Amino acid sequence: KAGVTQTPRYLIKTRGQQVTLSCSPISGHRSVSWYQQTPGQGLQFLFEYFSETQRNKGNFPGRFSGRQFSNSRSEMNVSTLELGDSALYLCASSLLTSNTEAFFGQGTRLTVV
Amino acid sequence: AQTVTQSQPEMSVQEAETVTLSCTYDTSESDYYLFWYKQPPSRQMILVIRQEAYKQQNATENRFSVNFQKAAKSFSLKISDSQLGDAAMYFCAYILTGGGNKLTFGTGTQLKVEL
Repeated sequence: KAGVTQTPRYLIKTRGQQVTLSCSPISGHRSVSWYQQTPGQGLQFLFEYFSETQRNKGNFPGRFSGRQFSNSRSEMNVSTLELGDSALYLCASSLLTSNTEAFFGQGTRLTVV
Repeated sequence: AQTVTQSQPEMSVQEAETVTLSCTYDTSESDYYLFWYKQPPSRQMILVIRQEAYKQQNATENRFSVNFQKAAKSFSLKISDSQLGDAAMYFCAYILTGGGNKLTFGTGTQLKVEL
């Protein structure tokens, strides 16, 4: 069974640009969550999508958005990039509800210059 | 605010010895799940062990076990017979039951395993 796949693995963008990150969950998993990991703030929850609907949202500005497709693949978008958006972005997929294990991808390392 | 505190930024253990990583959390909810995740240099988060808050019995997974004290809101991880492959960043986290898949993480403990 294939794991969670995040693309791309590495990305370098310039301030003011926008970026789209992709996450393909484990087959059959309907929930996809996104996290931002930085040395200063640690791991912070961005949002969760379940069956194409945003179910939870963290405390991030509106520049951060996401969506989920009918095949459960998810994308997150960051517009008007700032230097502080440089981080490791992790995606996790889960089968259904909150009492099931979250499987993480290897992340996308975003560097904003 | 709901938080998770890991007071040990770094820990070291000799190979084959036992080490305990501490974690305290703060939530006003009574139904939740607690987790320890491991993040090796590859950056992929791997679930080590899970504890349901309604269960009094401490979870065990091979060389990994927890000491769950619900009243004290404490959830420590014990690693027995430490191996070189255990070296990683360890994160304590929880999810509220019915709250979707929103993990709240601690700041992590970097575990070094020495020969």
